[in-house]
Amino acid sequence: GDSVTQMEGPVTLSEEAFLTINCTYTATGYPSLFWYVQYPGEGLQLLLKATKADDKGSNKGFEATYRKETTSFHLEKGSVQVSDSAVYFCALRRGGYNKLIFGAGTRLAVHP
Amino acid sequence: NAGVTQTPKFQVLKTGQSMTLQCAQDMNHEYMSWYRQDPGMGLRLIHYSVGAGITDQGEVPNGYNVSRSTTEDFPLRLLSAAPSQTSVYFCASSYSGADRTDTQYFGPGTRLTVL
Repeated sequence: GDSVTQMEGPVTLSEEAFLTINCTYTATGYPSLFWYVQYPGEGLQLLLKATKADDKGSNKGFEATYRKETTSFHLEKGSVQVSDSAVYFCALRRGGYNKLIFGAGTRLAVHP
Repeated sequence: NAGVTQTPKFQVLKTGQSMTLQCAQDMNHEYMSWYRQDPGMGLRLIHYSVGAGITDQGEVPNGYNVSRSTTEDFPLRLLSAAPSQTSVYFCASSYSGADRTDTQYFGPGTRLTVL
């Protein structure tokens, strides 16, 4: 079945460091791919998305490129801030209705 | 525009008790869904609805019931709570659910503990 695998956390970085959170997926066809972010005590918010191969999603300095050849959608940011501390979820949606399949989540902690 | 709201925020139940988790949205979204979030497992789909009067099962539906009598509300019922249902529950909604570019909006969650 369809699945999403994320790198295990927690990821601990200093402010202004470069961030990469790996995400790979298994799915038939051409899924849409998403990154959601969950700040402490809150629900999930859509961070960025890509709906076809080679699309790049971007928002708030974060970027991810839909790589069909490697079935990956890695999240990157050039310079993280303390306010980026959160849990990040990679997710896919394959056709049909909006039934998302989530990865386990990666906790990011950014220190001053 | 309140978005997706959930009540209560926290709830403690004893095994065998019943309760209803409330979810409402004011964005006129047709599609609504319930997820549970467990450590190390991400979010898993419990039930979903593509419109008033239409519901279907997700990945982990056992022990939960839903109904959708209005566009705005999508309550989740636990008929006989079990400790395995201890989790954080999120409600989500989107416009049609059938458009691959649709964005899902999530509520703030309900943290449920079953003793």
